[in-house]
Amino acid sequence: EVQLVESGGGLVQPGGSLRLSCAASGFTFSSYWVHWVRQAPGKGLVWVSRINPDGSTTNYADSVKGRFTISRDNAKNTLYLQLTTVRVDDTAVYYCARVSVGAYHFDSWGQGTLVTVSS
Amino acid sequence: QSALTQPASVSGSPGQSLAISCTGSLSDVGSYNLVTWYQQHPGKAPKLIIYEVTKRPSGVSDRFSGSKSGNTASLTISGLQAEDEADYYCCSYAGISNYVFGTGTKVTVL
Repeated sequence: EVQLVESGGGLVQPGGSLRLSCAASGFTFSSYWVHWVRQAPGKGLVWVSRINPDGSTTNYADSVKGRFTISRDNAKNTLYLQLTTVRVDDTAVYYCARVSVGAYHFDSWGQGTLVTVSS
Repeated sequence: QSALTQPASVSGSPGQSLAISCTGSLSDVGSYNLVTWYQQHPGKAPKLIIYEVTKRPSGVSDRFSGSKSGNTASLTISGLQAEDEADYYCCSYAGISNYVFGTGTKVTVL
């Protein structure tokens, strides 16, 4: 069974940092693009970032470029998102999701981890 | 990149059909046959129900169907059931390694 399990969310002050993790199991993690998508409370889904199977290519939404860093450890089957210089509007549930090579749809999602930015 | 435009809410009675529109631009929906639809129940993760405009993943009911004309994509739910009550989001690849989601539509089964 394909599983993606996020962790690392919590309360952080504006300007602070946090690292999110997404542990993958049930599939060959190193063969998939993986993405982060976030959802502010009561709001819609917003794409955040993606990384290719070997970690050599990364892309970011303009709203997080320069502040967030996506990375992966294929030996540990884990995806990461390092959040720095966080803002109140970064408050959201952060989901990881996988995409097959050559595809453009998120076919499996984690359950999400909540990041709250507040003083 | 602006969010794709969806109606905030639609409703229907059990057994009826309803459609949800998703309007974008030539930068996204109009240029790529890469529109996807996700269903999200309260407190749950999104679930893929339609990809590449019209394709259904294995295990998704054939009551869900997708289409596209110009800059507007649509999701149709036929034979509406109580379990279809959820939020629905469209999403389109928008080039330059970018994805844009819709504003979301709450479906209510009366």
